[in-house]
Amino acid sequence: GQQLNQSPQSMFIQEGEDVSMNCTSSSIFNTWLWYKQDPGEGPVLLIALYKAGELTSNGRLTAQFGITRKDSFLNISASIPSDVGIYFCAGPEYRDDKIIFGKGTRLHILP
Amino acid sequence: KAGVTQTPRYLIKTRGQQVTLSCSPISGHRSVSWYQQTPGQGLQFLFEYFSETQRNKGNFPGRFSGRQFSNSRSEMNVSTLELGDSALYLCASRPLGSPTQNEQFFGPGTRLTVL
Repeated sequence: GQQLNQSPQSMFIQEGEDVSMNCTSSSIFNTWLWYKQDPGEGPVLLIALYKAGELTSNGRLTAQFGITRKDSFLNISASIPSDVGIYFCAGPEYRDDKIIFGKGTRLHILP
Repeated sequence: KAGVTQTPRYLIKTRGQQVTLSCSPISGHRSVSWYQQTPGQGLQFLFEYFSETQRNKGNFPGRFSGRQFSNSRSEMNVSTLELGDSALYLCASRPLGSPTQNEQFFGPGTRLTVL
């Protein structure tokens, strides 16, 4: 099946810094989803993207649907301590529409 | 609208036992999916149910099974538990058939520990 590759696997940043992470696939996705998961909780949907080239914001978060339809990017501006967690990209497989996930980017914020 | 709910939140079982987990989707969502999350493997898709029928299935052994009821509530069952089944089991629902049909929402998960 299709696979989603996220990078980096983990990030250590200072509070106030901007963050960028991405998700790539060898095949096309028609929808890109970004989730955040806090320890011991289920993932929470942050942003959904539906069109190639689309740029969508949710507060300090901005995500983009890559024009090749094989990648997506998530940026967080002016990070704060509550941004700590694991960020996942996801999307529906072309063949059977089930939602698959990347392995996540773990964000750490240094005091 | 209430979110996705899962019960129980925590469960401890021993090898060889079986377990049943329950999930209630967001009102109006008729699709329910189950995922297994472990530190090394991330979120692995188990299966998806829609209108009481299994719509998709992941690559898990037959010990993992599920069902969906007419009110869209779903259960998953794991028989003959193994140590490697210890994981966070997540349930998610989405509004299949709507313009936002791929927007999947998760419950808090059931943490299963197999001793």
